[in-house]
Amino acid sequence: DAGVIQSPRHEVTEMGQEVTLRCKPISGHDYLFWYRQTMMRGLELLIYFNNNVPIDDSGMPEDRFSAKMPNASFSTLKIQPSEPRDSAVYFCASSLARGWGYTFGSGTRLTVV
Amino acid sequence: DAKTTQPPSMDCAEGRAANLPCNHSTISGNEYVYWYRQIHSQGPQYIIHGLKNNETNEMASLIITEDRKSSTLILPHATLRDTAVYYCIVRSSNDYKLSFGAGTTVTVRA
Repeated sequence: DAGVIQSPRHEVTEMGQEVTLRCKPISGHDYLFWYRQTMMRGLELLIYFNNNVPIDDSGMPEDRFSAKMPNASFSTLKIQPSEPRDSAVYFCASSLARGWGYTFGSGTRLTVV
Repeated sequence: DAKTTQPPSMDCAEGRAANLPCNHSTISGNEYVYWYRQIHSQGPQYIIHGLKNNETNEMASLIITEDRKSSTLILPHATLRDTAVYYCIVRSSNDYKLSFGAGTTVTVRA
């Protein structure tokens, strides 16, 4: 099993541009989570899905952020327009079911200049 | 509203056991204790979890006090590769969200 796969690993973009981060969860995992990590705020949960349906998006900071999960094997997190304060490492994680641990991807380091 | 309290940092000698404490005095009956760690530049990694019984796996042991108000993660023979931030998290069996605090930065020294 290749684990949770995120792409790209690094992204540098200019302020105002659209950014799309991608995640492929582990096959068979029903839950998918997007986290953001910064030095100031640590790891923050942005949104999570169950069976491709968004369950809780209360952590999404602004309307500039959106997440989709069109099928069980793919999810995207989009920022439009991006701002320098969005610079962070974004992690995707998936989980099999109730009571199981999460498996995290390697993250996407986003820099907005 | 922090559910867990951990020391911000600790050092450990290579080859020795590392004992990481965590206080969770307000834990309720259906809440589990989870431990994750994050090695620099990597995503968090699941270590172990438990409800009230002590647990052991290939990575670590989890000791939960009888009143469940605190727990200790034990790395039996710490190596340099165990240097990481360790997070103790309390999570309800009905809640799928993991909320990470600041964790304990563990430095294993040769």
